[in-house]
Amino acid sequence: NAGVTQTPKFQVLKTGQSMTLQCAQDMNHEYMSWYRQDPGMGLRLIHYSVGAGITDQGEVPNGYNVSRSTTEDFPLRLLSAAPSQTSVYFCASSYTLWTYGYTFGSGTRLTVV
Amino acid sequence: SQQGEEDPQALSIQEGENATMNCSYKTSINNLQWYRQNSGRGLVHLILIRSNEREKHSGRLRVTLDTSKKSSSLLITASRAADTASYFCATDLNYGGSQGNLIFGKGTKLSVKP
Repeated sequence: NAGVTQTPKFQVLKTGQSMTLQCAQDMNHEYMSWYRQDPGMGLRLIHYSVGAGITDQGEVPNGYNVSRSTTEDFPLRLLSAAPSQTSVYFCASSYTLWTYGYTFGSGTRLTVV
Repeated sequence: SQQGEEDPQALSIQEGENATMNCSYKTSINNLQWYRQNSGRGLVHLILIRSNEREKHSGRLRVTLDTSKKSSSLLITASRAADTASYFCATDLNYGGSQGNLIFGKGTKLSVKP
């Protein structure tokens, strides 16, 4: 089992560029989420999904889009990168949050210049 | 604003001592979870306590939950240098039974000196 796989691990973007952060899990988990982690801010929820075809906004959704066409994949799209989106992004998945916690990926460190 | 707030922000202890971290939250929850993050790594789930539970143990970890005070504590007994990490509480909000909205606090940075 690979667990939760995030790609790329590092990325530098120019302001205004778009890109997609990839997240894939092979555990047949229904619940998936994207978080960003900034110094002193802890983790903030961007978007989450409770199953294929179902997504919802978290605390800080502006500037990001998601879709969930399969159970395995939950990509995060940055529409027009801004320096304020410089952060470490984590994807996480869970079978169900009633009983289990999230399994986290190793993160993508994004710098927007 | 953050749903969960950990206290203290930083804690430094000697190996062998116990470490206690607290978490307060604002709204009704389904459950509360604790995670550990080693520097530069992803988070690792430690323990989950449901809203109808008051105490839970896992190895050297003890978690309590007081829903009347909207607070939880994480106790690590007989700490080791390897316990050095940041610890986060996260609350699964009770939105009419809906899930997926797991909100994290800002974390407690624990340093265990050998």
